[in-house]
Amino acid sequence: EAQVTQNPRYLITVTGKKLTVTCSQNMNHEYMSWYRQDPGLGLRQIYYSMNVEVTDKGDVPEGYKVSRKEKRNFPLILESPSPNQTSLYFCASSSSGWAKNIQYFGAGTRLSVL
Amino acid sequence: AQSVTQLGSHVSVSEGALVLLRCNYSSSVPPYLFWYVQYPNQGLQLLLKYTSAATLVKGINGFEAEFKKSETSFHLTKPSAHMSDAAEYFCAVREGGATNKLIFGTGTLLAVQP
Repeated sequence: EAQVTQNPRYLITVTGKKLTVTCSQNMNHEYMSWYRQDPGLGLRQIYYSMNVEVTDKGDVPEGYKVSRKEKRNFPLILESPSPNQTSLYFCASSSSGWAKNIQYFGAGTRLSVL
Repeated sequence: AQSVTQLGSHVSVSEGALVLLRCNYSSSVPPYLFWYVQYPNQGLQLLLKYTSAATLVKGINGFEAEFKKSETSFHLTKPSAHMSDAAEYFCAVREGGATNKLIFGTGTLLAVQP
């Protein structure tokens, strides 16, 4: 089954404690990205990756890092989480070519930073 | 720059009534437009997409949307609401260029009353 898998689904942490949210896709997609969803703001892109070792900032990259060492994985790293990073996070992937307009989303990771 | 406006953060309809969720876009290039649905505690699922083919687009679960260039609109409709349609709906436009980024509206929460 084609899917984007995020882990963990729920996470509570404290300010300053480094954490990583993993994202993996099994569709051999080149493009992957991270979004955060906040009430009244919709989804905003944090980082994206066009392919292995190619990443770039989205609209709200401050406080986040990513890496793309393998095609299937795109982890989101919070080096020193702060309460304003409490949010619902989604990973997405899509292929290149004509089909790249369809993005597939993971189930989300709800993060609370105390 | 592309943008999306969803009118009405909350919409309530009776079961069996028409569903109309409004979306207006701003784009300097021919837009690629999408509607996604988010059921409680789940990720985003693609409902339908417009990619410059037919202006009336049919999606899953009986939803459809009509692209109207003159009105810069892409409203989502369903003739008869079902209880299972209760969810949050997001309209999105693909940003131009190579990033494949989606610009999301702020979402509309649809409630269906028995």
